Amino acid sequence: AQKITQTQPGMFVQEKEAVTLDCTYDTSDPSYGLFWYKQPSSGEMIFLIYQGSYDQQNATEGRYSLNFQKARKSANLVISASQLGDSAMYFCAMREGLRRDGAQKLVFGQGTRLTINP
Amino acid sequence: NAGVTQTPKFQVLKTGQSMTLQCAQDMNHEYMSWYRQDPGMGLRLIHYSVGAGITDQGEVPNGYNVSRSTTEDFPLRLLLAAPSQTSVYFCASRALGRGNYGYTFGSGTRLTVV
Repeated sequence: AQKITQTQPGMFVQEKEAVTLDCTYDTSDPSYGLFWYKQPSSGEMIFLIYQGSYDQQNATEGRYSLNFQKARKSANLVISASQLGDSAMYFCAMREGLRRDGAQKLVFGQGTRLTINP
Repeated sequence: NAGVTQTPKFQVLKTGQSMTLQCAQDMNHEYMSWYRQDPGMGLRLIHYSVGAGITDQGEVPNGYNVSRSTTEDFPLRLLLAAPSQTSVYFCASRALGRGNYGYTFGSGTRLTVV
């Protein structure tokens, strides 16, 4: 079963507009964490934002915010005032549980390619 | 600079050859892992480790071996390379414990098996 689902293979947005990238997840573990990563054309993985399953408030980091709807199991990324440099692949990922040995596997969605048009 | 270092950045292998992808981190992170990234597939976990002498399998372990003799290094070995192993490989590490959330990724190794 797919643990992380990103239903938008590609999105095209005008510069300065806000954009929402969708992410739904599946877990029965009460303790988990959700991440968003950006991968520009150069290939590196850049951490954007994190949301813990017990966090009461939605996470924010500058222009990035995470719309966390726990009951719906969704963790959408919102980018405000998009810029040309935001063009990249975006991955949603989930870390499940805290085992005794500390192992917490990070599972990724298939990604969304975001293109910002001038 | 502190971080995760992967070598080589690019590699071409012939089918049946073997090689080791290197990963080293200088942040004293207990947890290290290897992913492969294929078009349209996102990143898939190959193997991971929570400390020296401890390794475990991820989602796609077949065809790959790992060992963890030190905290700093986590090499990935391909014993009999196959074209299906053509991919971009990422190493990632993090410190264990609830107080730390972030994973640090290396810059990747692009492997082509012909």
